[in-house]
Parts: sequence; structure tokens; C-alpha cells
Amino acid sequence: AQSVTQLGSHLSVSEGALVLLRCNYSSSVPPYLFWYVQYPNQGLQLLLKYTTGATLVKGINGFEAEFKKSETSFHLTKPSAHMSDAAEYFCAVSGSGTNAGKSTFGDGTTLTVKP
Amino acid sequence: DSGVTQTPKHLITATGQRVTLRCSPRSGDLSVYWYQQSLDQGLQFLIQYYNGEERAKGNILERFSAQQFPDLHSELNLSSLELGDSALYFCASSVGRGGELFFGEGSRLTVL
Repeated sequence: AQSVTQLGSHLSVSEGALVLLRCNYSSSVPPYLFWYVQYPNQGLQLLLKYTTGATLVKGINGFEAEFKKSETSFHLTKPSAHMSDAAEYFCAVSGSGTNAGKSTFGDGTTLTVKP
Repeated sequence: DSGVTQTPKHLITATGQRVTLRCSPRSGDLSVYWYQQSLDQGLQFLIQYYNGEERAKGNILERFSAQQFPDLHSELNLSSLELGDSALYFCASSVGRGGELFFGEGSRLTVL
């Protein structure tokens, strides 16, 4: 079984401030981890993913996330928020290898960026 | 553009009716997933197909059914529609049986 918990359904930051979106997961097998972003009236698009190897993963638009197995976390960060980052962000987990299958998504965190 | 095409983009219908949502996956992707997104329940996994076979089932109602055809496109059939079925329905595809998903822009269903 696998699950994802995103801490905080809403986050508001000022433009230029640090963005930190928290994600904790549970998985009975080595996980693949993902962050997706959804802009208004659009589908989800992949920001970044962790499969194997380096635990610090860089994605698009200046976002990065670090896989911490001991903490079962995969938090998303961006050093300096931009107005265009306002969107909903989803963390997701899926099994890997022979356990690959459906992704389980968190409930999402809506990011608001204030000028 | 994710390469996943969903039709129709918008659909308005009445309670008790039946609708079919269509999805064409990215070229080469064998897996198709259907998700329902609503304000009160968030993003809910409905069902997954891999190369024509059902692989995983989520919170899909008995009134809903889906299939994946030999050309890999998929259809989600929703019948005996209720007001609560109003939602965004997303299709996503992936190369294998898991991994990153590529989402379509969704079909917004409104049941009146």
C-alpha cells in the first residue's frame, strides 16, 4: 500500500520568498516520487521526479526536491517565488520496477504568491 | 502540450443520462489512467489500463466503466449520471506500467 500526505492545503508567500511545500509518503516498496503542478483550467504537468540515484532532484522553473528515505519525505523547494508560480502542487508516489503501477496523489497544496 | 488528447473539453448533461469521454495517449505510451478531480474529493484515481488490459482499479463507481482499444485510445463511460458526478475527468498516459504521467487537459462534466 502507498499513500501521500501533503502538509497544508494552502501556502501564501511573498514574491521573492522561499517556497517550501511538504510531502511525506508511505510505500511498502522502493518508491518513485513525483511533484506535479496544475495551473488554472489546465491538466497536471510534471515538475520533477525521483527514481533512483541522486537524492536531490532538480526540476523545471527553478524547483528542486530532496528524497530523504529516513524521514520518508520529498519536500519541494524554490529559493525565490515568482508570481507565475501561483498554482496547485501535487506530490505523488508510485511503485518501482515490478511494483510499478498507479500513482497515488496527495490532496494538493495551493500556492499563492503576493506581490 | 503533453501529447495526451481528451475530448470533449466541456460537456453539460442532465441527471440520468450517459456520456462517453475519450482519450488518446501519447504516441508509444501503453498505459492509460483515468482520474476524477472535484473540489470536495480532490484527485481520485479511477482505473488504469495497460496495453488493452485493466491493471488497477480505484474508486470507480459501478455506474462507470472504461476500456482501452487495440489502437490504445481509451474511453470512460459514465451512466445514470448524478449531480455529484460533476467534475473534471483527466486522462493520463505513461510508457510503462508506472512512472511519470502525462496528463491531458481534462473533460469538464457538468450534470444539471
